[in-house]
Amino acid sequence: DQQVKQNSPSLSVQEGRISILNCDYTNSMFDYFLWYKKYPAEGPTFLISISSIKDKNEDGRFTVFLNKSAKHLSLHIVPSQPGDSAVYFCAASDQTGANNLFFGTGTRLTVIP
Amino acid sequence: EAGVVQSPRYKIIEKKQPVAFWCNPISGHNTLYWYRQNLGQGPELLIRYENEEAVDDSQLPKDRFSAERLKGVDSTLKIQPAELGDSAVYLCASSWTGQSQYFGPGTRLTVL
Repeated sequence: DQQVKQNSPSLSVQEGRISILNCDYTNSMFDYFLWYKKYPAEGPTFLISISSIKDKNEDGRFTVFLNKSAKHLSLHIVPSQPGDSAVYFCAASDQTGANNLFFGTGTRLTVIP
Repeated sequence: EAGVVQSPRYKIIEKKQPVAFWCNPISGHNTLYWYRQNLGQGPELLIRYENEEAVDDSQLPKDRFSAERLKGVDSTLKIQPAELGDSAVYLCASSWTGQSQYFGPGTRLTVL
């Protein structure tokens, strides 16, 4: 049973515009959420995270929003750049402190120059 | 600072053959993870080590998979015998306890 879901397998955006990647989760015990970026033939690279006590976290061009009541989070990239083209994974961990991550299936972002 | 190192990067074997993957974590990281990523899916945890102890191996298929972490540093993941369904990318990650995980480039396994 997939506890973290990314329902859009792909997204194409023009350079300079906003990219919005979405993620839903089902486990109410999740309290920490992360976004990873993955280029071909490389491992996932940590991008940005958010704790369940916050509803927004911003780092440069990247902002993550968390809506706990809807069990939904999103990653906004503004402005989008061609180098942002990659697969983005949403991940979540629960309150056990074990730091085990549960990943979504990923969204392939293509930024068109 | 060197990242997580994995070898080999690619491995092609015939079914029923054994295979082993090696991981060298970031220096000082006490937690080490092995994940499997099937095509079109996200990574799924196989086993987590705290130092040399396997503290979560609930998702490891123990009939054919085994792992060890010698002296709490390097780790090896083994499959014996391999099956067609084992074809995937095997990712190693490391972290300080409770902190963000850093991933290696993975080993792409193809079982023919």
